[in-house]
Amino acid sequence: GEQVEQRPPHLSVREGDSAVITCTYTDPNSYYFFWYKQEPGASLQLLMKVFSSTEINEGQGFTVLLNKKDKRLSLNLTAAHPGDSAAYFCAVRNNNNRIFFGDGTQLVVKP
Amino acid sequence: GGIITQTPKFLIGQEGQKLTLKCQQNFNHDTMYWYRQDSGKGLRLIYYSITENDLQKGDLSEGYDASREKKSSFSLTVTSAQKNEMAVFLCASSMTFNQDTQYFGPGTRLLVL
Repeated sequence: GEQVEQRPPHLSVREGDSAVITCTYTDPNSYYFFWYKQEPGASLQLLMKVFSSTEINEGQGFTVLLNKKDKRLSLNLTAAHPGDSAAYFCAVRNNNNRIFFGDGTQLVVKP
Repeated sequence: GGIITQTPKFLIGQEGQKLTLKCQQNFNHDTMYWYRQDSGKGLRLIYYSITENDLQKGDLSEGYDASREKKSSFSLTVTSAQKNEMAVFLCASSMTFNQDTQYFGPGTRLLVL
């Protein structure tokens, strides 16, 4: 079955620095990709969903890059601020419509 | 917009006890899910229900039962709580099973003494 590996598990950056989180997956038939943010004690909030190949999607303060050839998905927070401190999870949907989550990245942004 | 409600927010149980967690959604979504989240880990699918009256096992169904009582509600039962078990159980829903975003509830935090 699908294996989703997310790196790094922990990430600490200074305010204003960029923070990059990467997921790799194994199933070449995966076709829908998600990034979620989970603040302490809260549930998962959808940041962005991506449904295309080798695509860059820009959100508020972050960029998502999907490379289906390399089976790699990344989230780049371009100028992190303390409010970005949270756990981030990638998720991958395969053609059986099952969703598989990465183990998460705990991001700390220091002032 | 809509909302997913999970009850209780916190659940403390005893070893061997049967425990039931409830989830309600008012999105009018067809599909509902139960996930388990362990500390520092991603989500693992326990059960899901594609439509009302449907029930499907996920990757972690052993030790759990589920019931889709009606379209808006989906409950999960821990059949025999394990000592020192600690996890968060997240309910989610999506409009359909195909190609739709999942929306998550706030979670039920379980601690077994």
